[in-house]
Amino acid sequence: SQQGEEDPQALSIQEGENATMNCSYKTSINNLQWYRQNSGRGLVHLILIRSNEREKHSGRLRVTLDTSKKSSSLLITASRAADTASYFCATELTGANNLFFGTGTRLTVIP
Amino acid sequence: DGGITQSPKYLFRKEGQNVTLSCEQNLNHDAMYWYRQDPGQGLRLIYYSQIVNDFQKGDIAEGYSVSREKKESFPLTVTSAQKNPTAFYLCASSNQGARNGYTFGSGTRLTVV
Repeated sequence: SQQGEEDPQALSIQEGENATMNCSYKTSINNLQWYRQNSGRGLVHLILIRSNEREKHSGRLRVTLDTSKKSSSLLITASRAADTASYFCATELTGANNLFFGTGTRLTVIP
Repeated sequence: DGGITQSPKYLFRKEGQNVTLSCEQNLNHDAMYWYRQDPGQGLRLIYYSQIVNDFQKGDIAEGYSVSREKKESFPLTVTSAQKNPTAFYLCASSNQGARNGYTFGSGTRLTVV
């Protein structure tokens, strides 16, 4: 499969703590993207990091990319109950015209 | 207000019937995509279209068909040949392929009864 794999599959933390999710992939990529999905809803694009970038920030989100290890991490700082959702990484493979999605991390933030 | 609209939100199908899921976007995006999501799973690509009157099969196209007669519309038909159609279907659109991220609709939940 060309999909990414997220780790852990599920994560439960207290409000105010940081949440870290990891994504590993198998082949060369143009970029890697993170999406959020609330239960029963569509996905929302959070952040994109290109293959020549190593780190990117957006508000409380921090994404890192290590192309030598074919892995990425998403850090959500100072988590809130409203951050409870599933988070997916998606990769645009070199030479491809679409995204390949991972299996997701289910994050629960306890108030 | 630009966006992507999927309808209906819930759909029930009897075995042996074809059903069509609607996806409309007013974002002026060139590319549109259909994904299937099973419980606790990631998204799997069914079909995608980069331009009007052209589309390509994704990883799980068997039992599905699409058309792209207008830039704004990319309907998905789930045919009777699809053996396990119960799932959550997501439509997405993008500009310049995947370079700038996808915009997703809110999904259609299809149940076979």
